[in-house]
Amino acid sequence: AQKITQTQPGMFVQEKEAVTLDCTYDTSDPSYGLFWYKQPSSGEMIFLIYQGSYDQQNATEGRYSLNFQKARKSANLVISASQLGDSAMYFCAMRPMNSGYSTLTFGKGTMLLVSP
Amino acid sequence: KAGVTQTPRYLIKTRGQQVTLSCSPISGHRSVSWYQQTPGQGLQFLFEYFSETQRNKGNFPGRFSGRQFSNSRSEMNVSTLELGDSALYLCASSPGITPTEAFFGQGTRLTVV
Repeated sequence: AQKITQTQPGMFVQEKEAVTLDCTYDTSDPSYGLFWYKQPSSGEMIFLIYQGSYDQQNATEGRYSLNFQKARKSANLVISASQLGDSAMYFCAMRPMNSGYSTLTFGKGTMLLVSP
Repeated sequence: KAGVTQTPRYLIKTRGQQVTLSCSPISGHRSVSWYQQTPGQGLQFLFEYFSETQRNKGNFPGRFSGRQFSNSRSEMNVSTLELGDSALYLCASSPGITPTEAFFGQGTRLTVV
């Protein structure tokens, strides 16, 4: 079984500052993938970034980077230079890579509010 | 490249009725997964279809069912609706072979009254 824990129900950050959203996970699968999604109030889940468990380098996508610490089972999302449009719910998710399934397990999410 | 399309966007149904939701995945993607999102339970996996076969199922009652067509479009059906079925239903599209991608549609917001 897989489990994702996001301990921050809400985070506040000022525009142009960096923010880290925490995510820890638990799994018995030797190979897995970690995802971060953004969900604005409209409801759509927007894919942000992906990290494979065997990837040697931390993933980056524009202003998003994933701080992957495998030994600590953490996959924190770092957003640099926050923008007002970053205000949304953020979900961490994972899936096993060798099970043949594409099922994602999600955390409870973190609400990020960016102020001017 | 078109994204994941879910229809309808909004639905209001009465208890006891049934409902069918539709999901068209990204062209070339063969895996479609369905998730239910509620404020209390968060995001919960319903089922996954790959090449017209259900290959994984979440812990939901038999009132929830789905299918996938040869063009990879998927439908999910909920029969005998209950108030607790009110939720945002999200569909995810993946290639199915390289599970490093999972893109979602905008969701269908179902309200049961």
